[in-house]
Amino acid sequence: EVQLVESGGGLVQPGGSLRLACAASGFTFSDHHMDWARQAPEKGLEWVGRSRDKSRGYRTEYAASVKGRFTISRDESKNSLYLQMNSLKIEDTAVYYCVRVTSVRGSDALDVWGQGTMVTVSS
Amino acid sequence: IQMTQSPSSLSASVGDRVTFTCRASQDIKNDLGWYQQKPGKAPKLLIYAASTLQSGVPSRFSGSGSGTDFTLTISSLQPEDFASYFCLQDDSYPLTFGGGTKVEIK
Repeated sequence: EVQLVESGGGLVQPGGSLRLACAASGFTFSDHHMDWARQAPEKGLEWVGRSRDKSRGYRTEYAASVKGRFTISRDESKNSLYLQMNSLKIEDTAVYYCVRVTSVRGSDALDVWGQGTMVTVSS
Repeated sequence: IQMTQSPSSLSASVGDRVTFTCRASQDIKNDLGWYQQKPGKAPKLLIYAASTLQSGVPSRFSGSGSGTDFTLTISSLQPEDFASYFCLQDDSYPLTFGGGTKVEIK
């Protein structure tokens, strides 16, 4: 069974750091781009960033709102994706989702989503 | 790329045909997906590449469009379809979601 399980969410003060983890199972992790997306309370979805697949050197992309503060990385030996979040702001409060991407004929389908982990930035 | 969805919400009855739209601020070819989200749950992929139905998704869902204008149609609304729907462009970075359409029971 294909599965993504996030962990690491919690309460952090503004300016603080937090590291989210996503454990992947049931598929060849290195063959897929992996994304992070988030959803603030009662708000819409926001794409956070991407770790491309192994054939593309695991290169990363970020939303402007997090660029320079967040870093996406992978540990292939653990089939895990990470989101290091630094200099956290109140507006980073959200449920964070780990997402598998399947590329089909040039289109990227975000086809498997984790259950999400809540991050609350508050003093 | 800005993605604008309309309407932001709609009320409909079981059995109704419903259509909502997503407009991109520039040409995104067919690089668009539609996602369904129910309260407290993760989003679920319905359609990718503008019109390709994801495996396991009922055939009452269909997508169309290319360039800047896209539609998602539910041919006969079912009780389990009351949810929010989001479009997402994957043509260029950063990927961007539309604001969503909430489908409520009339």
